[in-house]
Amino acid sequence: GAVVSQHPSWVICKSGTSVKIECRSLDFQATTMFWYRQFPKQSLMLMATSNEGSKATYEQGVEKDKFLINHASLTLSTLTVTSAHPEDSSFYICSARGYRADNSPLHFGNGTRLTVT
Amino acid sequence: LAKTTQPISMDSYEGQEVNITCSHNNIATNDYITWYQQFPSQGPRFIIQGYKTKVTNEVASLFIPADRKSSTLSLPRVSLSDTAVYYCLVVLGMDTGRRALTFGSGTRLQVQP
Repeated sequence: GAVVSQHPSWVICKSGTSVKIECRSLDFQATTMFWYRQFPKQSLMLMATSNEGSKATYEQGVEKDKFLINHASLTLSTLTVTSAHPEDSSFYICSARGYRADNSPLHFGNGTRLTVT
Repeated sequence: LAKTTQPISMDSYEGQEVNITCSHNNIATNDYITWYQQFPSQGPRFIIQGYKTKVTNEVASLFIPADRKSSTLSLPRVSLSDTAVYYCLVVLGMDTGRRALTFGSGTRLQVQP
């Protein structure tokens, strides 16, 4: 089946630094990638949607200058958390869709646990 | 933005059949219903997807009534390893035409020995 690889699986950084998370589709071309954030015992919250070669669309309340998303190729999207603060500590999950049809299932990465100290 | 509604939690015992129902009253004509399983500190894993009536695969069945305003995920003979959070996901059209993929609260299934 379709595989989405996310790296790193966990990262600890100091307040004020930036962290980059990579999301790769390993065996298919991902025309659309989604980034989610999940706090403990809560559901996944959609942060942004990115289509290859175009700017990401951010959900209401998500700061685009803080969470930089780049989807430069059909197999790679990156999320950069800039000037991270402790409140940014969370579980970040990417997902990818490999077909043009909107109803094709999402395939998820295994998430990145970000801890900001 | 309408979202899906599921029971917050369910309990079951090993070997029993578990049925989890999701309400999605504002489902659009072209939307599909997809169910995912999530273990702690992992990304969601695709279980099953359907449009109407019944879909079955090697791990689950999905029942969708004619009005498609709800769906039921059926897990036959659950085991301890089925303890997880289960999400139903419907792609909902928005007024702007942008289709956002929004998860509901999910159902936390606890399987006891």
